[in-house]
Amino acid sequence: LAKTTQPISMDSYEGQEVNITCSHNNIATNDYITWYQQFPSQGPRFIIQGYKTKVTNEVASLFIPADRKSSTLSLPRVSLSDTAVYYCLVGQTDSWGKFQFGAGTQVVVTP
Amino acid sequence: EAGVTQFPSHSVIEKGQTVTLRCDPISGHDNLYWYRRVMGKEIKFLLHFVKESKQDESGMPNNRFLAERTGGTYSTLKVQPAELEDSGVYFCASSQDPKTAYEQYFGPGTRLTVT
Repeated sequence: LAKTTQPISMDSYEGQEVNITCSHNNIATNDYITWYQQFPSQGPRFIIQGYKTKVTNEVASLFIPADRKSSTLSLPRVSLSDTAVYYCLVGQTDSWGKFQFGAGTQVVVTP
Repeated sequence: EAGVTQFPSHSVIEKGQTVTLRCDPISGHDNLYWYRRVMGKEIKFLLHFVKESKQDESGMPNNRFLAERTGGTYSTLKVQPAELEDSGVYFCASSQDPKTAYEQYFGPGTRLTVT
């Protein structure tokens, strides 16, 4: 399982775009990049997953450069309810979902 | 559709006692995972069931932990005897099939306190 590094915390104001970059220098060819969100007293929640280039859904966008050694989760126009811990996870889709969670990034959104 | 449920939400037991945690996955999800976060640490994988079979139990800390999934539906995680270092939050997650194993649905967790 590839090791990931992401900022410990990030602060933002409502309405701003938040970009969280995750480093995964040892990513393998078969590895995918997955992001989860966790609110206090809840289990993690899947946000988005990608392999390369750009992936977008109704919640976020995921940007992955050609070398795939990093990825950036972009949260557009955040609101107070986006305050949470965000985890970057790297693993193979055929590894049966054995995730290795890191410390995550605590995002705090203020008015 | 009901999500992953866990019972109890909180358990306080004394060192040496036994506790059994239960997880009900989303109906139809063959894959069931157990994770835990002990105090101040990161969420760690414990084991993975595919239906009633243990696919991967490499994260189980020791033989005081026993997980079962009889019939391939709900799962239980028993800790016997409990130690102080077992305190933490135990999460259960499920996913539909291997191709979507990256999208796991987590329960709210069971907070275990061993005194």
